[in-house]
Amino acid sequence: NAGVTQTPKFQVLKTGQSMTLQCAQDMNHEYMSWYRQDPGMGLRLIHYSVGAGITDQGEVPNGYNVSRSTTEDFPLRLLSAAPSQTSVYFCASSPGREDRDTYGYTFGSGTRLTVV
Amino acid sequence: GNSVTQMEGPVTLSEEAFLTINCTYTATGYPSLFWYVQYPGEGLQLLLKATKADDKGSNKGFEATYRKETTSFHLEKGSVQVSDSAVYFCALGPPGGYNKLIFGAGTRLAVHP
Repeated sequence: NAGVTQTPKFQVLKTGQSMTLQCAQDMNHEYMSWYRQDPGMGLRLIHYSVGAGITDQGEVPNGYNVSRSTTEDFPLRLLSAAPSQTSVYFCASSPGREDRDTYGYTFGSGTRLTVV
Repeated sequence: GNSVTQMEGPVTLSEEAFLTINCTYTATGYPSLFWYVQYPGEGLQLLLKATKADDKGSNKGFEATYRKETTSFHLEKGSVQVSDSAVYFCALGPPGGYNKLIFGAGTRLAVHP
C-alpha cells in the first residue's frame, strides 16, 4: 500500500548510543517532516524538508540530524541518545508544503524509542 | 504565539451518545484548522479541516466549525460508535507557515457498547 513507512517500530537504546530512524514514502511527495509525540504535549516538529537536498529545523531540533538525498527517504539521526529523547517519533509527508491545507499530512505509524 | 488547547481526556461515552471535544486556539492572522485522529498502533490521519472563518469541516459523521469570534474549532458527532475509540488531535496551520502544524495535546475517546 502506498504511504509513509517507518522503521523500526520499536527500539531501546542506551544513553550515548547513536541510531537512525528510517522514513520512506512512495507518493512522490515533496514535503516531509519529523515529529515527536510526548504525553500531554501533542506533536512537536523536529526537522522538515521541502525537497531533495533541502532541510530545515523545526521547534525541537537539538540532538537530531536529518538529510534528504532523495525524494523518497528522510532519515532522522540521533547522534548521542539521551533519556529525554524517549518518545514516539512520527514521519509525515505532503505533496508540497502548500498542500498542507488541501490534502493534510500523511503520517507513518511511528517509532517508539526508549533511551535507558 | 500560536497554540492549541484541547479538553483533557479521557472522554468515556456509551455507544450512540453525543460527542463534543473542545478545541480553542491562539494565533496571529487567519490560520487553517484541522482535526486528526490516531487509532491504536497507527499514525495520525486527517479527519477534517477548515481553512477560513465560518467554514464547516465534516467527515465520517464528525463536524467542526471554524469560529473566529470565539477562536474555537470544537469537534462533534451525533452518535458515536465503538470504532470511534481513538485519540483526537486538534491542530493549527499558521498562515503562510506551511512548514508546520501546531498540535494540541490530544484527547483520548473510549466508546463502550
